Amino acid sequence: DGGITQSPKYLFRKEGQNVTLSCEQNLNHDAMYWYRQDPGQGLRLIYYSQIVNDFQKGDIAEGYSVSREKKESFPLTVTSAQKNPTAFYLCASRGGPWGNQPQHFGDGTRLSIL
Amino acid sequence: AQTVTQSQPEMSVQEAETVTLSCTYDTSESDYYLFWYKQPPSRQMILVIRQEAYKQQNATENRFSVNFQKAAKSFSLKISDSQLGDAAMYFCAYRTQGAQKLVFGQGTRLTINP
Repeated sequence: DGGITQSPKYLFRKEGQNVTLSCEQNLNHDAMYWYRQDPGQGLRLIYYSQIVNDFQKGDIAEGYSVSREKKESFPLTVTSAQKNPTAFYLCASRGGPWGNQPQHFGDGTRLSIL
Repeated sequence: AQTVTQSQPEMSVQEAETVTLSCTYDTSESDYYLFWYKQPPSRQMILVIRQEAYKQQNATENRFSVNFQKAAKSFSLKISDSQLGDAAMYFCAYRTQGAQKLVFGQGTRLTINP
């Protein structure tokens, strides 16, 4: 079945440590996205990529980095510069040039501080 | 900047009854898309329904329908014959034609009472 796979499901970060969240899709979608969700809030866009080797900052990119070396993969690194990384992280993808195409989401990764 | 507002943090409904979730948005654009996503306790984001702003006809998907009032910038979701499986957070989202970014509301937590 086609879909988006995020791993790990749960992740713990120590102070000063960088951690990387994985996102893989087999939907052949060009665009991929990373969102952060905090309790009681909607989703906020961290980074997005429309094509391989290209990505753009979203609303809350500080303390995060991404790469898009392959169409299927869009990993997110939470760096030590992100002082409040505890949140639920969702990866999404979207196919087609048509504006009404929705974003499809993975199951998410919950990141906590040790 | 575009904003999406869901004024009802929580709603509850008796099983088999009908409930309406409210969403308003602020935009100066004329061509855009609106979406309702459902997030059950599993935390996966699931598309419920979508609406193109240029369409006057309200979208319908089985028990889910919308009341799209473009002039009032309102996009409410009606759930008919509510089922226990409908219990979830519901997010309203907006995207401008040609834009990659989805703007989400804060969400409404829907409880279904048996």
